[in-house]
Amino acid sequence: DGGITQSPKYLFRKEGQNVTLSCEQNLNHDAMYWYRQDPGQGLRLIYYSQIVNDFQKGDIAEGYSVSREKKESFPLTVTSAQKNPTAFYLCASSDSLAADTQYFGPGTRLTVL
Amino acid sequence: GNSVTQMEGPVTLSEEAFLTINCTYTATGYPSLFWYVQYPGEGLQLLLKATKADDKGSNKGFEATYRKETTSFHLEKGSVQVSDSAVYFCALSPSYSGAGSYQLTFGKGTKLSVIP
Repeated sequence: DGGITQSPKYLFRKEGQNVTLSCEQNLNHDAMYWYRQDPGQGLRLIYYSQIVNDFQKGDIAEGYSVSREKKESFPLTVTSAQKNPTAFYLCASSDSLAADTQYFGPGTRLTVL
Repeated sequence: GNSVTQMEGPVTLSEEAFLTINCTYTATGYPSLFWYVQYPGEGLQLLLKATKADDKGSNKGFEATYRKETTSFHLEKGSVQVSDSAVYFCALSPSYSGAGSYQLTFGKGTKLSVIP
């Protein structure tokens, strides 16, 4: 089955630690995205990538970093510089940056202790 | 800039009731419009979409019509089930030249609870 996988489903981190969230897709999509979701809020774009070895900041990139070394993988690192990292993180992909439909993974809930 | 406004929830309905979730948008030109659904603890799933004025998107008994004159894309279902309990997000994607999916704009979501 084609789709997007995110791991882990739940993640706990101590303050001051970096943590990396995994996102893998087997849809052969060129574009990938990371969103943050907070309770009662819509989704906010953190980073996006339209092709391997290329990525761009979204609306709330501060305190986050990404890499795109392979087409199918787009890991997100939440650094200690992110002041309020506790949230639900969603990865998505689309056929291209111009495509109007995105497909989402199941999400990772990050909690900072 | 672009924006999406949804009716605030939570919305609680009895099984087999009629559902309407209002969504209005602000955007230039003719954006594509979407409804996504998020079941508890899961990611978003595309429910339906419409790409031009007067188009009707439909899926799983849900419908929404793209109304350019009222800039609206209200979600409706004639008879809800307990399994429809979820958070529903309205979203738009601009369609002008050079626009991309990275400019997808979401509403804040409306939580629906259906009771037996």
